Order: sequence, then C-alpha cells, then structure tokens
Amino acid sequence: GAVVSQHPSWVICKSGTSVKIECRSLDFQATTMFWYRQFPKQSLMLMATSNEGSKATYEQGVEKDKFLINHASLTLSTLTVTSAHPEDSSFYICSATKELEQFFGSGTRLTVV
Amino acid sequence: AQTVTQSQPEMSVQEAETVTLSCTYDTSESDYYLFWYKQPPSRQMILVIRQEAYKQQNATENRFSVNFQKAAKSFSLKISDSQLGDAAMYFCAYRSAKSNFGNEKLTFGTGTRLTIIP
Repeated sequence: GAVVSQHPSWVICKSGTSVKIECRSLDFQATTMFWYRQFPKQSLMLMATSNEGSKATYEQGVEKDKFLINHASLTLSTLTVTSAHPEDSSFYICSATKELEQFFGSGTRLTVV
Repeated sequence: AQTVTQSQPEMSVQEAETVTLSCTYDTSESDYYLFWYKQPPSRQMILVIRQEAYKQQNATENRFSVNFQKAAKSFSLKISDSQLGDAAMYFCAYRSAKSNFGNEKLTFGTGTRLTIIP
C-alpha cells in the first residue's frame, strides 16, 4: 500500500483566522492530490484537485479564494481555510493517487468558534 | 457527469451472516473503475474492493465480493461471514479510466451505514 499523512487531526480556531492543513504522501510521489469535505453523516464531497506545479482545479461552488490549495512538491499539498467562519466547520480529508488507487489521509476535524 | 446512488442509508446484519449493499451508477463512458470504501468510526477511508469495468469477472477479496452488472450499471457488495469489525459506513465510488488530469477523481455515493448485530 501507500501512506498518506494528514496534519493536524483536529483544530479549533477563532472566527476570522486562517488554518492550514497539510497532506503528505510518505512513501510515494503524488502528482495529483484531492481535497474532500465531509459533513456529519454525509458523503465525501470533492472540493478541488491539485496538481504539482500548477493551479488547483476547484469544483463548482467551492470558493477558491477561501480555500487556498498549494501543491508545491510531489509529496505535499496544503489546504488553507482563510478567514474561517463557523460554517466552515467540517471534516476535511485529502487523498493522493498511486497507480489506480487513491490513498486517504486520516482527516482533519476543523471547528471554528 | 457521473452519478453514484446508494439507496440503503442503513443496513444491519447478524454476526456471521451475509449482507449485500446496493450501488447503482450512471455514466456515458465505457471504461471506468468502481470501488467500495469502508469508513469506520475513526473516519479513515479504507479501500475494500475494486472492479475494472472491462473485466467481466466479479472481483473478490476474502469475505468481500461484488456483483458487477455493467449493462444494468449496478455494483453491489456482498459481505460474507459478517464480523463486528465490519461495522462502518460503506461508500461506493466511480472513477473514469481516462488518464488525463482531473479524471482520477472519485465520485462517491451517499453511503450505507452497516451495523453488525452480535
């Protein structure tokens, strides 16, 4: 298999501040990584696709200025939630593709107070 | 656009029994991949089984097997000899087989919560 590390696993921040979530592929290089958002008892909704060295592709309805994605290397992608508000509270999951399979991070629970 | 539908929000099964989770999908593509993922309470997504659309043979992984009906666009998961550790949310997912950027993304169904009754 392959290991994807996501950090932090949980974070609480004040409304109006920014939060950065990291996603690392530990034992393989990932040219493509994905960021998902999951509301309680719901499915994973794709937010954006990030490709190393180029701009991320955002899904319809996702504010790219609010959810900044940077895929600066073949092993690291970051998601920054800017000017966070309580409605941004959610579970965020990243994944990276190796061959035909997507490997998922363990997720980050963001709570904005 | 592709869609994935899981019509069973919740299912339960007695330990050691067999349960089948349903999934249907809609696509205009002829080549694609289908997956079943398990999400236990830890929220870690775990791949259970994968099926390539060009393969007629149903995939199997130990106690897990699928019934892939391409014409009907159906992809059900059968869990045999259910164990307490099988309790989780199960998501069906679709992925295009096209290799260009962005087509690696997964489209998930809404999930089925499986409860195992001791």
